[in-house]
Amino acid sequence: AQKITQTQPGMFVQEKEAVTLDCTYDTSDPSYGLFWYKQPSSGEMIFLIYQGSYDQQNATEGRYSLNFQKARKSANLVISASQLGDSAMYFCAMREGIGTGNQFYFGTGTSLTVIP
Amino acid sequence: EPEVTQTPSHQVTQMGQEVILRCVPISNHLYFYWYRQILGQKVEFLVSFYNNEISEKSEIFDDQFSVERPDGSNFTLKIRSTKLEDSAMYFCASRQRTSTDTQYFGPGTRLTVL
Repeated sequence: AQKITQTQPGMFVQEKEAVTLDCTYDTSDPSYGLFWYKQPSSGEMIFLIYQGSYDQQNATEGRYSLNFQKARKSANLVISASQLGDSAMYFCAMREGIGTGNQFYFGTGTSLTVIP
Repeated sequence: EPEVTQTPSHQVTQMGQEVILRCVPISNHLYFYWYRQILGQKVEFLVSFYNNEISEKSEIFDDQFSVERPDGSNFTLKIRSTKLEDSAMYFCASRQRTSTDTQYFGPGTRLTVL
């Protein structure tokens, strides 16, 4: 089974509108972290937001918020007031457990295009 | 703001040649990682490194791959004899031991094997 599933290969949003990018995860470990990264066409991976499995509140970072629904195992990224510069690939990732390694498992990504 | 750096940004090599990809993690970070992303595909974990040894590796990280922290700042990935299927973007990442455990990624090295 996939650890991280992103079911939207591509999304379009009008500039200044909000958009939700879906992410579901699969783990039996009670301790995990969920991350979103942005990958512009230039290729670098930019950290956006983090949600810990024990966090009571949804994470927010500026225009980014994470809609964390633990029972549904979903961690959707909400981008408010979209800007043209938000056009990029967006990856959801998960870290399981606590330890020295803790690799990240990535989803297949969602390509977001912001339309002027 | 401190950042992870990687060199070179693009490496072209012939099949069978050895390549070394270099990374300088953020200076106070303790955990180091290599990932790869084949064009159009998702990011895949290769290896994690802590306290001067490998702490975890994936099935992709076979005997052709090795990692090293030769000094206090560099973290390298060596591919001993490159294959066509090694063509990918290789990302280095590092993290502190903080509550978020966020991994910060470098800009990547695009490896092209001809």
